[in-house]
Amino acid sequence: GAGVSQSPRYKVAKRGQDVALRCDPISGHVSLFWYQQALGQGPEFLTYFQNEAQLDKSGLPSDRFFAERPEGSVSTLKIQRTQQEDSAVYLCASSYAATNEKLFFGSGTQLSVL
Amino acid sequence: GENVEQHPSTLSVQEGDSAVIKCTYSDSASNYFPWYKQELGKRPQLIIDIRSNVGEKKDQRIAVTLNKTAKHFSLHITETQPEDSAVYFCAASIVGRSGDKLTFGTGTRLAVRP
Repeated sequence: GAGVSQSPRYKVAKRGQDVALRCDPISGHVSLFWYQQALGQGPEFLTYFQNEAQLDKSGLPSDRFFAERPEGSVSTLKIQRTQQEDSAVYLCASSYAATNEKLFFGSGTQLSVL
Repeated sequence: GENVEQHPSTLSVQEGDSAVIKCTYSDSASNYFPWYKQELGKRPQLIIDIRSNVGEKKDQRIAVTLNKTAKHFSLHITETQPEDSAVYFCAASIVGRSGDKLTFGTGTRLAVRP
């Protein structure tokens, strides 16, 4: 594809609801990162995949957050029992190499938890 | 872990003037320093990056300098134009350590006055 695609672009959830955010990386990209960006802040790391292997999930805020990339391409970030503090933009980024160089970001999913 | 500090948080310049944004990092092992530009509501886009084996890199009106001893690096934009108005993020990481994540600064909002 032309770039990293994320869906939905906007998501409004009621507190306690589960949500699933999708990321389609650039075809052939080995590395996939999820970042959380609060309003007026820089992106903060959540988790990293190299192909289908989740090599680092140290940034996930709690066990309510879960990510997967079962076939090494599309990834899903799932948040269970959403809370207001989960409101943020969730950014996905991919890279051709098994490093974080030259990351291409998606446009993000803006999650609002009411 | 890595800590990246960025300043100023906001910067306003007259069109045609230069703009300088500065960042410091804490982990002396960091060896990769990209800069991302994020326009309002858009995805972060890589504008320039530098590895620690060089002290300066230029790309048209944009340049980045790195001082490894002092652990700081800077973005220089010359002959600023209104379309340079955006939020700029610096970041740092260790390339070569598989899956090492980018740590971002808090961003600088640049406004270029016509």
